[in-house]
Amino acid sequence: GENVEQHPSTLSVQEGDSAVIKCTYSDSASNYFPWYKQELGKGPQLIIDIRSNVGEKKDQRIAVTLNKTAKHFSLHITETQPEDSAVYFCAASRGGSQGNLIFGKGTKLSVKP
Amino acid sequence: EAGVTQSPTHLIKTRGQQATLRCSPISGHTSVYWYQQALGLGLQFLLWYDEGEERNRGNFPPRFSGRQFPNYSSELNVNALELEDSALYLCASSSAPGAGPAFFGQGTRLTVV
Repeated sequence: GENVEQHPSTLSVQEGDSAVIKCTYSDSASNYFPWYKQELGKGPQLIIDIRSNVGEKKDQRIAVTLNKTAKHFSLHITETQPEDSAVYFCAASRGGSQGNLIFGKGTKLSVKP
Repeated sequence: EAGVTQSPTHLIKTRGQQATLRCSPISGHTSVYWYQQALGLGLQFLLWYDEGEERNRGNFPPRFSGRQFPNYSSELNVNALELEDSALYLCASSSAPGAGPAFFGQGTRLTVV
């Protein structure tokens, strides 16, 4: 079955710097790769997703890249702000609607003012 | 607009008992997903309901079950509780097939003693 590895488990950056979180997956049939942000005491929130027919997607300060050959995808946050501090999860599945997302273990991002 | 709501927020049960967790999706969303977030294990997919039917199920024993009501709210039942069932149970909803779980509730913290 699918396995998703996420690195690093913790990441600390200075406000204004960039943050990069990387994930690798094992199932070459996976075609949907969402990223979630979980703030303390709240449920995860979808922040961006990418499908396998696209190599990169941007939304303001957030971007995700996908390398299907290497089976890895990354989240890039530029100009980080203290409110970006949270736990970020990557996930992969063969079809988003099926719900059977396989999640990474999460990255705790701390942005220091 | 109200988000995904879950009840209760906390639940304490004794080993062997049954637990019932409830979820109300965002208005207009027909799909409901259930996930277990256990310490150190990340998010694990439990169940997906759409239009009142169970569409997909994760690798959990049959004592984890649920249903979706005509108003699209959902219930997760866990029978014969075990200590290892202690976790945060998250419900998510989405509005269209292929969209995947987008909005999560704050979860129900189940503690089995």
